This record gives sequence, C-alpha cells and structure tokens, in this order.
Amino acid sequence: GDSVTQMEGPVTLSEEAFLTINCTYTATGYPSLFWYVQYPGEGLQLLLKATKADDKGSNKGFEATYRKETTSFHLEKGSVQVSDSAVYFCALRGGGTSYGKLTFGQGTILTVHP
Amino acid sequence: DAGVTQSPTHLIKTRGQQVTLRCSPKSGHDTVSWYQQALGQGPQFIFQYYEEEERQRGNFPDRFSGHQFPNYSSELNVNALLLGDSALYLCASSLVAGSSYNSPLHFGNGTRLTVT
Repeated sequence: GDSVTQMEGPVTLSEEAFLTINCTYTATGYPSLFWYVQYPGEGLQLLLKATKADDKGSNKGFEATYRKETTSFHLEKGSVQVSDSAVYFCALRGGGTSYGKLTFGQGTILTVHP
Repeated sequence: DAGVTQSPTHLIKTRGQQVTLRCSPKSGHDTVSWYQQALGQGPQFIFQYYEEEERQRGNFPDRFSGHQFPNYSSELNVNALLLGDSALYLCASSLVAGSSYNSPLHFGNGTRLTVT
C-alpha cells in the first residue's frame, strides 16, 4: 500500500536558518504530493502541492520538488521565521479516483528560536 | 467564505458509550472525508462520503460509521468507544464534481475526543 516517511523530528533552528525536511514515499501509479502545516490547536492547512514528476510546489517561501526517480518530496525554506514553528506533514494522494484519501507521514515538529 | 466547521470542539466520553461528531464542508464543496489523528501521529483516513454514499474506507472497524446529508454536511459515529479511540478527529472537504481529482482538501480544526 501507499506510505510516506518523514525525517525524524523535532527540528530546532534559529531564525533565518535554512530548513530541509525530508520526505520519501511509496505508491503505485502516479501520486500527487502535498505538504500540510498544522499550527497549535488548529487543523491542517495546505502549504504546497505537486501533481507530476519534476513539478515544483511553492508557497510562502517554502518549496518542494517532486522527484520520481528518488521517490522524494523534500520541503525547503531558505530563511525560517519564528512564525514558521508548527508541525509539517508530507502526504500523498494515490492514483485512481481516491479523491479524499490522503496518506500522511508522521509529521515533523519545527521550532524556530529568535 | 466559511471554511470547514466541526462540532463540538472537545468531547469527553466514557468507554462503551457512543459519540456523534459533525462537519459542515467549505462552501461549494461536495465531498467530505474523515481522519483520525492520534497524539504525535499523522492523520489516518477513516472514510469518504460523496453523493451521500461512502465511497472509500480506510482500515477502521465497523464501529466507525458515517452519514452525508443532502446539504453535503456529514456525521461521524463511533460506537462502543475504546480508550484507544481518544484522538483528534478531522473533517476535510473537497470538490469532486467538474474538477480534476487533484482538488485539494480543506481541513477543519477538528474535534478532540477523550475516552475515559
């Protein structure tokens, strides 16, 4: 079945540091890939997405490139802010008509200090 | 434009009881999915409703059931509650009709269920 593996957390950075959160996946067919962010006490918000190989999703300074050859979708940001502190989830939607089913990784807690 | 709304926000139940959680999708959306998020884990897919029918189901027992109403809102019912059912239950909506299958999911803030 489909699965998503994220790097172990938590990740602690100083403001303006470079961020990478690794994500690899296993899926049949041609999945779509997503990064969601969850702030304390809130639901998940879509951060960015990519729907085919070599697509780059970007939003709010975050970027991730869909790498089919390495089955990866690593999240990066050049300069993090304190307000980026949250839990980040990598997810995939498998091929077919599974409109609603997302498979999530276990999440990576990011803490950014001033 | 109202997003996905869930009620109640918090709930405490006793083992063996039954619970109903409610969800109103984002305006214009016609599909609702439910997820269970245990503490420190990623969300796990429970099931999805479209056109008032369950379309897909994850690895959850029959104690978990749902319903979608003509106005697209949805309920999640859990019978015979176990301590392990304590989690954040998330509802997500999306638009299927007339769009690609890559329509993103919009999540509510969830219902925190505690079973004692």
